[in-house]
Amino acid sequence: SQKIEQNSEALNIQEGKTATLTCNYTNYSPAYLQWYRQDPGRGPVFLLLIRENEKEKRKERLKVTFDTTLKQSLFHITASQPADSATYLCALDTGNQFYFGTGTSLTVIP
Amino acid sequence: GAVVSQHPSRVICKSGTSVKIECRSLDFQATTMFWYRQFPKQSLMLMATSNEGSKATYEQGVEKDKFLINHASLTLSTLTVTSAHPEDSSFYICSAETPSGVSTGELFFGEGSRLTVL
Repeated sequence: SQKIEQNSEALNIQEGKTATLTCNYTNYSPAYLQWYRQDPGRGPVFLLLIRENEKEKRKERLKVTFDTTLKQSLFHITASQPADSATYLCALDTGNQFYFGTGTSLTVIP
Repeated sequence: GAVVSQHPSRVICKSGTSVKIECRSLDFQATTMFWYRQFPKQSLMLMATSNEGSKATYEQGVEKDKFLINHASLTLSTLTVTSAHPEDSSFYICSAETPSGVSTGELFFGEGSRLTVL
């Protein structure tokens, strides 16, 4: 069956450290992989998109990698801040459909 | 970026009544909108894909007579939960595809609608 797993339900890190979130998938061949941020009671907000032929994408303090051999994407937040605390969702875009992971709740401790 | 507005943000209704949720694209025309359902601490579950001027495409296991979707214009899609029951209580979120196409750009989401059925 098709499955998208994000490394852990919750992740706590100290302010200033780098947060690394993992997204693993099986039985998909995504054309794109995207990362979203969702705050409680709100809709998701787009952060980054990476294509299947791209290895790495950066945007300010965010970095995403995409390994189609391992079927894995890593999402990094460097110099993390308490304001980065939220749930982060990965989404696979197969070209016809979006499939979302279960999300990882990140808490950055001051 | 593109803005998607969803209304109402919260609604409480009695069991057996119907509830309508609106999703509007405010500054672009959305030929395709998506409706999701999200339970606490769970991922977004795609319910249906709404295409302007045609019938919605429902995901397996989603009752189309229970969750009526209408996409009457390029800026508005509505989800009506008919004869709501407590198990329909959930967070419903819409998203819209930007004109460049879903496979080349991100989705823009509404703020979500929290439905509570008493």
